[in-house]
Amino acid sequence: DAGVIQSPRHEVTEMGQEVTLRCKPISGHNSLFWYRQTMMRGLELLIYFNNNVPIDDSGMPEDRFSAKMPNASFSTLKIQPSEPRDSAVYFCASSSTGTTQYFGPGTRLLVL
Amino acid sequence: DAKTTQPPSMDCAEGRAANLPCNHSTISGNEYVYWYRQIHSQGPQYIIHGLKNNETNEMASLIITEDRKSSTLILPHATLRDTAVYYCIAYNAGGTSYGKLTFGQGTILTVHP
Repeated sequence: DAGVIQSPRHEVTEMGQEVTLRCKPISGHNSLFWYRQTMMRGLELLIYFNNNVPIDDSGMPEDRFSAKMPNASFSTLKIQPSEPRDSAVYFCASSSTGTTQYFGPGTRLLVL
Repeated sequence: DAKTTQPPSMDCAEGRAANLPCNHSTISGNEYVYWYRQIHSQGPQYIIHGLKNNETNEMASLIITEDRKSSTLILPHATLRDTAVYYCIAYNAGGTSYGKLTFGQGTILTVHP
């Protein structure tokens, strides 16, 4: 049974470029979460969706960040333009509403 | 969600039980105690959760005190692969804070040969 799938696993880009991170949740799960992990701030929730609808985006750092969930099996997190301080590991997690969240392997982003 | 307090680090010998404590003295009645772990360079991995009763699964056991102010995660026979950061989280999955798993600093468990 496949878990949460994220791509790419590693991304290196230059400041100012657009970055798109992708996530495929566990089949049957209707909630999807995007987290960011840095040494300074630890793991923090950026945004979550329920039934493809964004419910809480209060953790999104600024307008350069946007997230979409066009269907139940796919979500993207986009950073445009990217900055060096966006370097982090980005995790996607999914769950059935009100239950345990399961995390993907993460995308390591380095912005030069 | 209630704040949790964990020791920053612990050691355990391989094959022995690892007992990881967590204090959550302000936990509310509808908050579950969740445990996750994060092995280096991997995503957080769900271990176990409970509300009032002790729980056991194939990975671990969770002992929650009767007043629910503290709990202990038990890995019965620790292996080197259990070396990780362990997070204890008080979480109300069905409440207004749904989705907001708040990860603290956790406990770095090191299992020695």
